Formats: sequence, C-alpha cells, structure tokens
Amino acid sequence: EAQVTQNPRYLITVTGKKLTVTCSQNMNHEYMSWYRQDPGLGLRQIYYSMNVEVTDKGDVPEGYKVSRKEKRNFPLILESPSPNQTSLYFCASSLSRAEGQYFGPGTRLTVT
Amino acid sequence: SQQGEEDPQALSIQEGENATMNCSYKTSINNLQWYRQNSGRGLVHLILIRSNEREKHSGRLRVTLDTSKKSSSLLITASRAADTASYFCATKSYSGGGADGLTFGKGTHLIIQP
Repeated sequence: EAQVTQNPRYLITVTGKKLTVTCSQNMNHEYMSWYRQDPGLGLRQIYYSMNVEVTDKGDVPEGYKVSRKEKRNFPLILESPSPNQTSLYFCASSLSRAEGQYFGPGTRLTVT
Repeated sequence: SQQGEEDPQALSIQEGENATMNCSYKTSINNLQWYRQNSGRGLVHLILIRSNEREKHSGRLRVTLDTSKKSSSLLITASRAADTASYFCATKSYSGGGADGLTFGKGTHLIIQP
C-alpha cells in the first residue's frame, strides 16, 4: 500500500531535549516536505527536499533541521525544542514538486 | 506566506445537497490543488488543476479555475455524511523566495447534516 509514515504519532517532551520525527515513503517519490499546522495559521512549510542530499528552507525553518540521505526517508530534527514548536506536524511526498502530495498521518508534538 | 483564502470559513448543508467552496489567491500560480482533512488527520489530495486549465472533474468533484480573477471553486455534488471535513486549497508557484511555493489557505470546514 502506497503510504507516508511518521513516527512517533504523539510526543510530549521538555524544552531543550533533542528529538527526531521520522518520515518514510514507499512510493519512490523524489519530493518530500515537512509542514506544521497551527490553529488560525493553517499549514506552513518548514523544509522541503527535491531529491537525495538536496534540501531547502520553507516558510518557517527556524529551530528545525532535516536531512535526506536516502530517497525514502526525510527526518525532522528539533535540536533544542521550545514551547512555540508545539504543533501538529505533517510529512508529505510527491513524484515531483509539480504534483499533488501524499501526506502522512501527522505527529502531535507538545513541548513543555 | 498565506496565499489561498477559502470562503466560506464554515458551511453546513443537508446530505444530498451540493457544496461549493471558493478559493482566492494573490499572485500568479503554476497549479492549484484541493485537499481534504478529517479532524486532526493527514491531508488527502483531491484534485490538481494547472494554470492553463479551466475546469476539471473527478467523481463527484468539480474544480474550476479563473486565473483572470485569481480564484478557484470546488463543487461537491450529492454530498454525503462522509464528506464532512475541512477542505484546503493550496497554490503552487515557482516565483522564487524561501518556500517552494506550495502555500495553503486556512480551509473551509464542511459539515454534512444527515
């Protein structure tokens, strides 16, 4: 089954404790992206990747890092999480940047 | 940066009726996409319409695009209770800048009353 998976689905952590949210797709997609969704602000792009070893900043990249060492995986790293990073995070992928995206189920992160 | 703006913010109709949602945007686009999101879950891609297309159909969905007015509409015909969800338009442009140009509106929350 074609899908984008994210782990963990829920995470409560404390300020400053490094964490990684994993994202994996099984569709051989070149394009992958991370978004955060906040009430009243909608979805905003954090980082995107057009292919292996090619990543770039989205609208709200501050406080986040990503890597794309393999085509299928695109982890999101929060080196020192802060409460303003409490949000619902989505990973997405598509064949190319011009196509519609497949979204993962989301990761609800709470930073206290 | 928020580009698409959906209208209305919320819509409640009876099952079987048609639902129409609108999206307006500000700058030129390469394509416009509609997504559905059930409460707190991942978004599902519904339909993509390119800037040189005016209308597209997929099952009970009909999307129109008017680039002169910078607007799009999503029509869901013969609505069902399972169509209850939030609907987002997202515009794709390659005009440069920080993000890769796929920007989402804040959504229309659609409720289908049985």
